[in-house]
Amino acid sequence: SQELEQSPQSLIVQEGKNLTINCTSSKTLYGLYWYKQKYGEGLIFLMMLQKGGEEKSHEKITAKLDEKKQQSSLHITASQPSHAGIYLCGAGVNGGSYIPTFGRGTSLIVHP
Amino acid sequence: DTAVSQTPKYLVTQMGNDKSIKCEQNLGHDTMYWYKQDSKKFLKIMFSYNNKELIINETVPNRFSPKSPDKAHLNLHINSLELGDSAVYFCASSQEGLAGGTTQYFGPGTRLTVL
Repeated sequence: SQELEQSPQSLIVQEGKNLTINCTSSKTLYGLYWYKQKYGEGLIFLMMLQKGGEEKSHEKITAKLDEKKQQSSLHITASQPSHAGIYLCGAGVNGGSYIPTFGRGTSLIVHP
Repeated sequence: DTAVSQTPKYLVTQMGNDKSIKCEQNLGHDTMYWYKQDSKKFLKIMFSYNNKELIINETVPNRFSPKSPDKAHLNLHINSLELGDSAVYFCASSQEGLAGGTTQYFGPGTRLTVL
């Protein structure tokens, strides 16, 4: 089954700093999703990447899927306290059926 | 209006009891899911239904039984609750199956604590 490794596991940054979260797959990714989970709440969809080399942005968050489609990075520019939460990448291919799989998440704290 | 809603938000119960969690989506989506998020925040798919038909059943104990009375509802019934069932359970929905590149919308979660 698809394995998704996220790094780092946790991140503490000062407000205004840039940061990057990585998601690496053991297999080729067919559709990679990024979600944000605020502490104690459900997941909020951020972006979906499907094509190798694809890059998408939403406000100060940019996500990219590498050409070989086995790694994605999420970059936050000039972080703010509102960016705090858990970021999860999700994907999934398992033989002929699609089994959604998630990384273990990266916990982000942004100090004002 | 809430797109994907779950009830209850919190559930505290004794070992051995039977409990249900309800999920409803008002997005007109065809596919619904149940996920379990453990204490280490690991999110794992349990079930998926498409138009009331079970399409994913990921090595979940028989004590867990999903029921979809219509495509807007997917309830989760758990028999003989065990301590290890304590987790946050998330319901989600999507317009079509995820292989088509569609987006999932998640409910707020139900925190289940088994004593």
